[in-house]
Amino acid sequence: DVKVTQSSRYLVKRTGEKVFLECVQDMDHENMFWYRQDPGLGLRLIYFSYDVKMKEKGDIPEGYSVSREKKERFSLILESASTNQTSMYLCASSFYYRLGELFFGEGSRLTVL
Amino acid sequence: EDKVVQSPLSLVVHEGDTVTLNCSYEVTNFRSLLWYKQEKKAPTFLFMLTSSGIEKKSGRLSSILDKKELFSILNITATQTGDSAVYLCAVELGDMRFGAGTRLTVKP
Repeated sequence: DVKVTQSSRYLVKRTGEKVFLECVQDMDHENMFWYRQDPGLGLRLIYFSYDVKMKEKGDIPEGYSVSREKKERFSLILESASTNQTSMYLCASSFYYRLGELFFGEGSRLTVL
Repeated sequence: EDKVVQSPLSLVVHEGDTVTLNCSYEVTNFRSLLWYKQEKKAPTFLFMLTSSGIEKKSGRLSSILDKKELFSILNITATQTGDSAVYLCAVELGDMRFGAGTRLTVKP
């Protein structure tokens, strides 16, 4: 069965802390994505990656960075967390030629105090 | 700027009703339109539409795309309480752009 696993379901951090959100998929997918989901705004793309060590900015990359050292793992990094980064973060993956059929993880709810 | 707009934002119906959810888009480099269902956590894939006028169907759910008028609809017939969810529309460009979603509540 297809699986995308986000390591942290709930996090509470303080302003200025560095935050790592990890995502692992076991489907050998080429594409991986990080979205944030906020009420009324839907899912907004932060970064995506179509291959190891490759990354592309999405709509809202400011304040975030990503790392993809291995095909199965895509990490989202908040270098210095701010309160406006309080959100639900969703990781997703897909095959290269079926980009739109995303498989999502269960989400990481981050609260920045 | 690429836009995906869903309407209504929320909808409350009773079991047995039929609902129609709307998704319109203004994007460059359109490749496909997708519908997802999000109950509590992870959105799950429902349909992918690439061609105009061809209905995709899965049980009580169906969807169709109009590439000339730039919209899609998702129909749910004989709704059940288990259909209560947020329904997300997304358009595939070089990446994926999502609408804000429609929150459907089905009351017994």
